[in-house]
Amino acid sequence: QSALTQPPSASGSPGQSVTISCTGTSSDVGGYKYVSWYQHHPGRAPKLILSEVNKRPSGVPDRFSGSKSGNTASLSVSGLQAEDEADYYCSSYSGTNNLGVFGGGTRLIVL
Amino acid sequence: EVQLLESGGGLVQPGGSLRLSCVASGFTFNKYVMSWVRHPPGKGPEWVSAVDGSGGNTYYTDSVKGHFTITRDNSKNTLYLQMNSLRAEDTAIYYCARDSHDSGNYFTGFHYGMDVWGQGTTVTVSS
Repeated sequence: QSALTQPPSASGSPGQSVTISCTGTSSDVGGYKYVSWYQHHPGRAPKLILSEVNKRPSGVPDRFSGSKSGNTASLSVSGLQAEDEADYYCSSYSGTNNLGVFGGGTRLIVL
Repeated sequence: EVQLLESGGGLVQPGGSLRLSCVASGFTFNKYVMSWVRHPPGKGPEWVSAVDGSGGNTYYTDSVKGHFTITRDNSKNTLYLQMNSLRAEDTAIYYCARDSHDSGNYFTGFHYGMDVWGQGTTVTVSS
């Protein structure tokens, strides 16, 4: 099961918006509305920030939003803040193994 | 406060064994499917294994079948991962994580996400 493809890094200045992509196949991202996104500050516990493509758990700011088109899901962060600097990982359910797969991760840098 | 705390990691030689533990607090442990997810250095995370709320149904990624065993003790609110025949490629930070849905019966971590994670415990397999 291959990992989902994410860009290694993304960056933006405070207040700007940035979008991170997550590309899979029709057997995972493209076939289901089961994409999740996690924020991970190294050394801390990962945090679920989006599930089912665009659903935010309680407490996650609405600056974080998700979308999906074809085999690519996207995480958008608007109004960038310094604390948004972290690693972001996508995951998707996969019909290939009836389990799922993670992306390789994107380091978001707030300039 | 909802919390997960892993322990048991360390340095082990190839072929050796380790048992990881994850103590849960702040929620009804037996209502949730629990997973182990590992993060190898320089790579993305990899889901390893999950167990349903009763401990009766387990799930594994192909690469660990036959040499990792997941169990839980609901009386102790504790999740375990017994790792045998360890290989260099098992080197990673290991996290325990909770399914966000409290169905307790089926692993849905990739459907609805895993909403509570520990801070991880580091496993290094090296001679």
